[in-house]
Amino acid sequence: EVQLVESGGGLVKPGGSLRLSCAASGFTFSSYSMNWVRQAPGKGLEWVSSISSSSSYIYYADSVKGRFTISRDNAKNSLYLQMNSLRVEDTAVYYCARGGTSSPLDYWGQGTLVTVSS
Amino acid sequence: DIQMTQSPSSLSASVGDRVTITCRASQGISNYLAWYQQKPGKVPKLLIYAASTLQSGVPSRFSGSESGTDFTLTISSLQPEDVATYYCQKYNSAPRTFGQGTKVEI
Repeated sequence: EVQLVESGGGLVKPGGSLRLSCAASGFTFSSYSMNWVRQAPGKGLEWVSSISSSSSYIYYADSVKGRFTISRDNAKNSLYLQMNSLRVEDTAVYYCARGGTSSPLDYWGQGTLVTVSS
Repeated sequence: DIQMTQSPSSLSASVGDRVTITCRASQGISNYLAWYQQKPGKVPKLLIYAASTLQSGVPSRFSGSESGTDFTLTISSLQPEDVATYYCQKYNSAPRTFGQGTKVEI
């Protein structure tokens, strides 16, 4: 059974940093691209970032470019999102999701809440 | 960047009604279009990919179609358990933009 479990969310002040993790199991993690998608309270889904299976290709939404860094460790079956210079508008539930170039997001984690507030 | 415009933003229908949601891409995306269902308080779930291919386990009352840059999600007979917000998403290239969502109520 495919499982994606996010962790690392919490309350952080504007300008602060946070690192999210996503632990994957039930599939060959190193064969799949992975993504982060976020959802602000009461709002729609926003794609944040993607990373290819070997980390060769990395993409970001304009809203986080230069502040967020996606990475992965295939030996640990883990996906990460380093978030720096956090803003109030980054407050959201962050989901990790499996899906690569030319494939949809077929499995999602339960999400982890990030709250940016003073 | 390619924009995804979804309509309507919300709708209310009766049980058994046929419901149609539209998603328009600002440029061609071939058939790299997915539909997701998000029930209140739940994680999004993949319903349809490649514009018209039903994900395994999804009821056959859901269907998708495409016409150029216009994509449609149809629920042939609305059921109470279909109350949710539905999102389209392009996945041919980054950014993998979502539509704004359509909230379906009974």
